[in-house]
Amino acid sequence: AQRVTQPEKLLSVFKGAPVELKCNYSYSGSPELFWYVQYSRQRLQLLLRHISRESIKGFTADLNKGETSFHLKKPFAQEEDSAMYYCALDSNYQLIWGAGTKLIIKP
Amino acid sequence: GAGVSQSPRYKVAKRGQDVALRCDPISGHVSLFWYQQALGQGPEFLTYFQNEAQLDKSGLPSDRFFAERPEGSVSTLKIQRTQQEDSAVYLCASSLVTGVGYEQYFGPGTRLTVT
Repeated sequence: AQRVTQPEKLLSVFKGAPVELKCNYSYSGSPELFWYVQYSRQRLQLLLRHISRESIKGFTADLNKGETSFHLKKPFAQEEDSAMYYCALDSNYQLIWGAGTKLIIKP
Repeated sequence: GAGVSQSPRYKVAKRGQDVALRCDPISGHVSLFWYQQALGQGPEFLTYFQNEAQLDKSGLPSDRFFAERPEGSVSTLKIQRTQQEDSAVYLCASSLVTGVGYEQYFGPGTRLTVT
């Protein structure tokens, strides 16, 4: 079955500390993965996607097919990074979503 | 430019009432998606349109749910005889084209509460 798992519901780190948001997936084909972010009182928006291998707002994510993971990382967290983060798997046109991780950056 | 808009933003319905949720996608976007997001969960796929054609409705939870996009732009998700388990945020998203890896642009959602 196709599935996306985000094991942490809540992650709290201090400003300036490294951040890693975990995402594991189950998919039989070649996966295309996304990270979406939802800031307080805003809509879901794309943060980055595997296919374009870009770095947005200092975040990166590497696809590890052996571990079936697509963890989101940032070396130095900033207070404005506080938000809900969702990992999503593109299954043809459908997006299959994890339950999300709430990231809180403490000053 | 204007993003995806949804109306109403909030809807309270008594159990058994019918509701209609509207989505205005970004102009020119071919693909339109509906998702249901229960509290504390990620979105779950409901249905997908390419222009006016509904190509996948496999995620609709029951035959009380119906979606249409008659002219290939605005879409309406209708829920008949609402039940408490229908309480959720309903998200609409549009995409310029259909294909793996294309970004979906989301609306603000409609929060439906069934009492």
